[in-house]
Amino acid sequence: DGGITQSPKYLFRKEGQNVTLSCEQNLNHDAMYWYRQDPGQGLRLIYYSQIVNDFQKGDIAEGYSVSREKKESFPLTVTSAQKNPTAFYLCATKVQAGASVEQFFGPGTRLTVL
Amino acid sequence: AQKVTQAQTEISVVEKEDVTLDCVYETRDTTYYLFWYKQPPSGELVFLIRRNSFDEQNEISGRYSWNFQKSTSSFNFTITASQVVDSAVYFCALSAYSGGGADGLTFGKGTHLIIQP
Repeated sequence: DGGITQSPKYLFRKEGQNVTLSCEQNLNHDAMYWYRQDPGQGLRLIYYSQIVNDFQKGDIAEGYSVSREKKESFPLTVTSAQKNPTAFYLCATKVQAGASVEQFFGPGTRLTVL
Repeated sequence: AQKVTQAQTEISVVEKEDVTLDCVYETRDTTYYLFWYKQPPSGELVFLIRRNSFDEQNEISGRYSWNFQKSTSSFNFTITASQVVDSAVYFCALSAYSGGGADGLTFGKGTHLIIQP
């Protein structure tokens, strides 16, 4: 099936530990995104990548890091520097052709810091 | 800077009532996209509609309809004859049209819609 896979669905981490969230896509889309959602809030952009080996900070990049070594993969690392990491994390891809644009979202990973 | 405002935090109606979710946006771009997404309790985002800023034609899809008014920077969403399955959080979002760029979406805070049986 074509789509975006995020694993794991639920993730628990001890305070002070780094953790990496996986995002894989087989849609052959160039652009990939990471968003964070807090309760009662909309999604906020953490990082995005337009092509392999290139990525840009979004609105709330502090305490996060990413890599884009392959077109299909865009992992997000939540570092110990992130002060409040408990949230729902959504990965997305985007394709734009002329006047048409589509953004696709993965099922999300719910991270809880204990 | 872009901004999306969904002033209604929560709306509760009785099944079969019509309900309108408001969305007001701010952008300096002359060309942009507007979106509505549905987020059920499971958490995944379900795409509902995309509207280009240069296409002000309103759209109807079954019980759903969208009213885009560029003059008031609004993109409101109406559900006619609501059903319990419509209960979810609904997000309005905005994206610049960057001709192939990788701009992310700017989301509103969402409206929690509760449809009571």
